[in-house]
Amino acid sequence: AQKITQTQPGMFVQEKEAVTLDCTYDTSDPSYGLFWYKQPSSGEMIFLIYQGSYDQQNATEGRYSLNFQKARKSANLVISASQLGDSAMYFCAMKNNQGGKLIFGQGTELSVKP
Amino acid sequence: DAGVIQSPRHEVTEMGQEVTLRCKPISGHNSLFWYRQTMMRGLELLIYFNNNVPIDDSGMPEDRFSAKMPNASFSTLKIQPSEPRDSAVYFCASSSWTSRQETQYFGPGTRLLVL
Repeated sequence: AQKITQTQPGMFVQEKEAVTLDCTYDTSDPSYGLFWYKQPSSGEMIFLIYQGSYDQQNATEGRYSLNFQKARKSANLVISASQLGDSAMYFCAMKNNQGGKLIFGQGTELSVKP
Repeated sequence: DAGVIQSPRHEVTEMGQEVTLRCKPISGHNSLFWYRQTMMRGLELLIYFNNNVPIDDSGMPEDRFSAKMPNASFSTLKIQPSEPRDSAVYFCASSSWTSRQETQYFGPGTRLLVL
């Protein structure tokens, strides 16, 4: 069965510093996709970044990058130069490319300190 | 281009009443998903449609829940009768098969409170 684990319920980071949010996954499928979403206090789910299981390079989107270590089944999100607006819940999710649904982790609440 | 549209944004109702949640997916997207978010269970899929056809409804809690997608631009999730344990945020999301990664884009959610 597919599973996503986020072991950090909460994280603090100083403004302008980098932070890594951990995500490990479990699947027996060779083809899958990994996603990160941001959920601010207003409640909406915002797509941040995607990594395919066959992608050779780590995904990057602006200040977001994904540290993909396939052998370790980890897909950590790195946020560089943290901003106050980065304070939010962050969810890691996985999708089997043969199926439609996303499996979500429990989330990590990030707080950026001024 | 408008994102996924959901209505109502907030709903307060009494136990036993019927609740209907509505969703308009992003134009051109051919997959639509209904998720529920609670503190206890996190985010979980209820049902999803491909080309208006229900594919996986294994997440629908019980017969009180039903979902329809009569056309490519509209879907409803109905709870009848509603119960306090149905209180949650209900998200609709859509995606496109033409995109390699099939990213799901979420609507703003409907915050449901059943008294």
